[in-house]
Amino acid sequence: DAGVIQSPRHEVTEMGQEVTLRCKPISGHNSLFWYRQTMMRGLELLIYFNNNVPIDDSGMPEDRFSAKMPNASFSTLKIQPSEPRDSAVYFCATTRDSVNTEAFFGQGTRLTVV
Amino acid sequence: GNSVTQMEGPVTLSEEAFLTINCTYTATGYPSLFWYVQYPGEGLQLLLKATKADDKGSNKGFEATYRKETTSFHLEKGSVQVSDSAVYFCALSDNTGGFKTIFGAGTRLFVKA
Repeated sequence: DAGVIQSPRHEVTEMGQEVTLRCKPISGHNSLFWYRQTMMRGLELLIYFNNNVPIDDSGMPEDRFSAKMPNASFSTLKIQPSEPRDSAVYFCATTRDSVNTEAFFGQGTRLTVV
Repeated sequence: GNSVTQMEGPVTLSEEAFLTINCTYTATGYPSLFWYVQYPGEGLQLLLKATKADDKGSNKGFEATYRKETTSFHLEKGSVQVSDSAVYFCALSDNTGGFKTIFGAGTRLFVKA
């Protein structure tokens, strides 16, 4: 398996523009997580899906952020409109439904909003 | 709720020094415990894990023992190398709230030659 695939790897956009980050999970993994990582705030869980259903979105910072998982092989995280404080590395991670299994992370998308 | 607390960094060591990174947890159930490592420009990857009390996880010379009595899972390595420079995350996973993994804040390790 190719692992968790995120695209794009880097994104530079102007303030006010819409940004869409994409994630392809590992086949057979039931749970998908979106994280944001910054120097100031560390690793933050934004939203968590199980079997394509959003379970916990309490970490989504505000209404400008939205996430979807239309099927088991694809998820998106959208920011509209983007702001400079959204600049961060965004990670997607997936797991099987078992307490003993590890989370597999993608390589992340580095977002810069200017 | 569940939580993980790990020592603040950065930790700076000379090559071949002994490493300890402390991690304690709070959990209502019987969690599995993990250490993840993040190298520059990459995502987190599993370093080691332990799934029940008194289990010892080990990998690449790193070890951690699941201590239920002290709710701890401290990471140790006897002799660090420059290539161990990275950010280390302690984490737990249990089935309250649906198999969600809770991460600590991360500890940055610098190893000098």
